[in-house]
Amino acid sequence: DAKTTQPPSMDCAEGRAANLPCNHSTISGNEYVYWYRQIHSQGPQYIIHGLKNNETNEMASLIITEDRKSSTLILPHATLRDTAVYYCIVIGGSNYKLTFGKGTLLTVNP
Amino acid sequence: NAGVMQNPRHLVRRRGQEARLRCSPMKGHSHVYWYRQLPEEGLKFMVYLQKENIIDESGMPKERFSAEFPKEGPSILRIQQVVRGDSAAYFCASSNDGQGNRGYTFGSGTRLTVV
Repeated sequence: DAKTTQPPSMDCAEGRAANLPCNHSTISGNEYVYWYRQIHSQGPQYIIHGLKNNETNEMASLIITEDRKSSTLILPHATLRDTAVYYCIVIGGSNYKLTFGKGTLLTVNP
Repeated sequence: NAGVMQNPRHLVRRRGQEARLRCSPMKGHSHVYWYRQLPEEGLKFMVYLQKENIIDESGMPKERFSAEFPKEGPSILRIQQVVRGDSAAYFCASSNDGQGNRGYTFGSGTRLTVV
């Protein structure tokens, strides 16, 4: 699976949009981009995933560039409870093993 | 609608004792995955099981660790003769298929402390 690169940390003001970037320049055609987050002391939580089209659900939006080499997770109105480590994971084929890197620690400030 | 249930939440064991960690998958899920998170590190895959079968144990340490998912009851991760380096958070995830959908549901984890 392709390697991903994320900034180690980001800050966001409560109520504003949080835009978390992820680079995956070696992604191949059958690989999906998945986002998970881990709030302190809890298990990872699935957020959203996509292949090449932009996706939106009740939690977030996922924007994937046309060349698929990078993506952005958008939390439209961040709350204090969104403070967590966010992981961008590229996985494809029949692979079921999630590879968690260091992720991005998003801190939402009041 | 219970999610993935793990127990105990916290487990303290002395060096040399056995640790048993339990995971009950979501209702209707027959695929279970165990991950370990060492302090200040990311989660690492350990083992993938279906009912009564170990599908992939490539992430399991070669000794002292074993896992099962019996026909009835929860999945068990067993660590024999624990050492301080086994102190970690152990998470279980479940899914209703083994590939394609990787939006896994994780449990809250068991935090093992070896003293």
